[in-house]
Amino acid sequence: GQQLNQSPQSMFIQEGEDVSMNCTSSSIFNTWLWYKQDPGEGPVLLIALYKAGELTSNGRLTAQFGITRKDSFLNISASIPSDVGIYFCAGLLNYGGSQGNLIFGKGTKLSVKP
Amino acid sequence: NAGVTQTPKFQVLKTGQSMTLQCAQDMNHEYMSWYRQDPGMGLRLIHYSVGAGITDQGEVPNGYNVSRSTTEDFPLRLLSAAPSQTSVYFCASSFSNTGELFFGEGSRLTVL
Repeated sequence: GQQLNQSPQSMFIQEGEDVSMNCTSSSIFNTWLWYKQDPGEGPVLLIALYKAGELTSNGRLTAQFGITRKDSFLNISASIPSDVGIYFCAGLLNYGGSQGNLIFGKGTKLSVKP
Repeated sequence: NAGVTQTPKFQVLKTGQSMTLQCAQDMNHEYMSWYRQDPGMGLRLIHYSVGAGITDQGEVPNGYNVSRSTTEDFPLRLLSAAPSQTSVYFCASSFSNTGELFFGEGSRLTVL
């Protein structure tokens, strides 16, 4: 089936550093989404991207929809301890089609050194 | 609004037992789905529903049944639990098929 390659799998960063993670695929997506999962909780939507080349910010988070529609990037600026968690990318193959067309990456586990 | 509510939060079963994980949402969302999360595997879709009376299989449906008799509820049934079904299960809902999901807090299931 379709797969998203999310990297890195995990990272340790110093508080205050910037963070970058990305998702790539061999498939073209109509929508890219980024979710964050805090320990012991369900994922929460951070950013949704609907157009190739789109750059969207949500506070210290910035995400981009790759121009080829096969990748997406998430950047976190000036990381803080509450940024700890697992970040998932997700791609939607066909808007309006089956919900089975939403594919998740395997996640990037972010740990911050205080 | 409570959002998406899952019960129970924790459950331990013996191999061969059956049980139902409950999911309810109060946002009048048409789309509901069940995912399982295993270490290193991300979120995998089990079953989903695009409205009351309509369900379909996801990536890993074997061993699970669902039904959708109302817009609000989408229970997941384990017919005969196996150790391979030890996992954290998440229910999610969305207004439409945009990928913008609201997740419940999860149900952690252990099968011995």
